[in-house]
Amino acid sequence: GQNIDQPTEMTATEGAIVQINCTYQTSGFNGLFWYQQHAGEAPTFLSYNVLDGLEEKGRFSSFLSRSKGYSYLLLKELQMKDSASYLCAVMDSNYQLIWGAGTKLIIKP
Amino acid sequence: SQTIHQWPATLVQPVGSPLSLECTVEGTSNPNLYWYRQAAGRGLQLLFYSVGIGQISSEVPQNLSASRPQDRQFILSSKKLLLSDSGFYLCAWSSGTGDVDTQYFGPGTRLTVL
Repeated sequence: GQNIDQPTEMTATEGAIVQINCTYQTSGFNGLFWYQQHAGEAPTFLSYNVLDGLEEKGRFSSFLSRSKGYSYLLLKELQMKDSASYLCAVMDSNYQLIWGAGTKLIIKP
Repeated sequence: SQTIHQWPATLVQPVGSPLSLECTVEGTSNPNLYWYRQAAGRGLQLLFYSVGIGQISSEVPQNLSASRPQDRQFILSSKKLLLSDSGFYLCAWSSGTGDVDTQYFGPGTRLTVL
């Protein structure tokens, strides 16, 4: 079957750095997406990786290793507004998104 | 720019009542459209997707149905709601073209079935 694994919850301190991991087993691979979802709101697109390596977007970076079925989202200079759930999703061989359950990130002052 | 609308934002319905949720997209033509459900603390479950008018693919057999009567309109329906239908319903669109087919979500409808 297809599976996306992420930690359920993480806690970090304002101003620090946090890394959220995602491992996947899917039938085929056509890219990996990260979304941010604040409580009670819809997910918003953060990043996309299809080739191995690091993609940087301001305070957020996303890394992919296709051979290891592994990605991480790196958040730097954490702010209180970064408190949210972070969803990892993989596009499979049928171009359908397979979603992880999300990682709830709690930022403490 | 493209925008996606969903309504209503919140809905409380009794068991056995009908349901109609609407989603519309502006600023794009012939989008791919998706209906998802998110249960509390769970991942997104794809319910239906559509690549064109009148074309609906169902991912999960259940008492829900979807229709796409116009290019940028997607409707989720049920004839009789179950308690298990409670959840956060999200509509999304993607262009269906290009190298990166990113999905963009509407604000969602929170449905409570009592």
